[in-house]
Amino acid sequence: DADVTQTPRNRITKTGKRIMLECSQTKGHDRMYWYRQDPGLGLQLIYYSFDVKDINKGEISDGYSVSRQAQAKFSLSLESAIPNQTALYFCATSTSGGSNEQFFGPGTRLTVL
Amino acid sequence: GEDVEQSLFLSVREGDSSVINCTYTDSSSTYLYWYKQEPGAGLQLLTYIFSNMDMKQDQRLTVLLNKKDKHLSLRIADTQTGDSAIYFCAEDPDSSYKLIFGSGTRLLVRP
Repeated sequence: DADVTQTPRNRITKTGKRIMLECSQTKGHDRMYWYRQDPGLGLQLIYYSFDVKDINKGEISDGYSVSRQAQAKFSLSLESAIPNQTALYFCATSTSGGSNEQFFGPGTRLTVL
Repeated sequence: GEDVEQSLFLSVREGDSSVINCTYTDSSSTYLYWYKQEPGAGLQLLTYIFSNMDMKQDQRLTVLLNKKDKHLSLRIADTQTGDSAIYFCAEDPDSSYKLIFGSGTRLLVRP
C-alpha cells in the first residue's frame, strides 16, 4: 500500500467551482505539504503544516485554502477554481528533525475549463 | 532571494555517464537534495548531501557540492534507459523545512 495517497488522481472542473483535493499518509509524519507543479517551473509550495494546529502559507497560497483534519490528513481547497490553477498538485510529508526527506504522493492532475 | 537553477534537458547514450548540474543561492541550506520524477509519478528522493560534505557516493550516483560556487551536481554512472526521468535539485534554506526546487532537468537516455 502507498504511504502517501491522493484523491482524486484526475479531475476536470469548470471555472467558479469549488474543488477539494485530499491527501492521506500512513507514515506517521508530523509535517505535510501541498505543492503545485507547472511545466518548466518545478514545484512551488502552496501551504504547509508542521502539526495539526500549525498551518502556514507558502509561496503561492492566494486562491487556495487548506485543512489539517488529523495528523494523517491534509486537504487542499480551491474555493472558486480558475483556469490558471490547471496544474499537477502534489502532497508530501516529512518527519521533524533529521534530513527533512520529503515523501511525495502520486499527484492529482487538475484541469479547470 | 531563493532560487535554484538547472538546465532543462540532457541527452546521453546508454552506458555513458550523465552529469546534471544545479546552482543555488542560499548558503545557509543545511541539506541539498536530488529528486527523480518518472512519468505519471510523484517525486522520489534519490540522495541528499549535508552541507559540510564535498562529495557523497551511493552506488551509481555521485553528488558533488562546491559551497564556494553554490554548485551541486549529480553524476549517474553507466546510465540506463530506466534512468530517463526528470531530475530536480532542491535546497532547504535556513533549515526551514520548506524545500525550494529547481525547474528540473529532463534526462533522455538513448539506446
